[in-house]
Amino acid sequence: DTGVSQDPRHKITKRGQNVTFRCDPISEHNRLYWYRQTLGQGPEFLTYFQNEAQLEKSRLLSDRFSAERPKGSFSTLEIQRTEQGDSAMYLCASSGRGGNYEQYFGPGTRLTVT
Amino acid sequence: DQQVKQNSPSLSVQEGRISILNCDYTNSMFDYFLWYKKYPAEGPTFLISISSIKDKNEDGRFTVFLNKSAKHLSLHIVPSQPGDSAVYFCAASAIYNNNDMRFGAGTRLTVKP
Repeated sequence: DTGVSQDPRHKITKRGQNVTFRCDPISEHNRLYWYRQTLGQGPEFLTYFQNEAQLEKSRLLSDRFSAERPKGSFSTLEIQRTEQGDSAMYLCASSGRGGNYEQYFGPGTRLTVT
Repeated sequence: DQQVKQNSPSLSVQEGRISILNCDYTNSMFDYFLWYKKYPAEGPTFLISISSIKDKNEDGRFTVFLNKSAKHLSLHIVPSQPGDSAVYFCAASAIYNNNDMRFGAGTRLTVKP
């Protein structure tokens, strides 16, 4: 399977705990994106990497959120001091070089904060 | 701010008939539009796209129409099949900032046998 993969698929955590999610993009893709999706809504853009550089962050990405892509391959999204409002599906997507605008999504990580 | 709107949360169609899903946008800087399909427990899957230099793009049973003056696009599925039952998201981006793609809230399509 050469698609985008995410781990874990589900995460239940208690409020105040830290969580980290991983995304492995399609291998030849240099762009990687994180989105958040809540019930009844479409995905909302969080942040974007081109290779290892984080080039853009949404205002939705509070100080408790941090994302990395250290070697330009896989990426991690960490949420510190989780709150119940962080409960959502976290989606990762990747896209290729040049003018290829189609983003290919992973299956997502569903986070539940209790 | 909801720059991409899908005003119909659900649509039910008989197998073999046409499904028409609609999407409106407000940002005139958007010039690239995409449709994604999402099954339960899976991420969105890219379906079809159109740039603002075109008003129609066709791929098999799927056709996307773009009306720039009305800031409206639609996805036509003909003929509809039960396997098309899914949530369909409309998305839009601007060439100058194609990394910030905005999605609509989605339309749940049910195709009845």
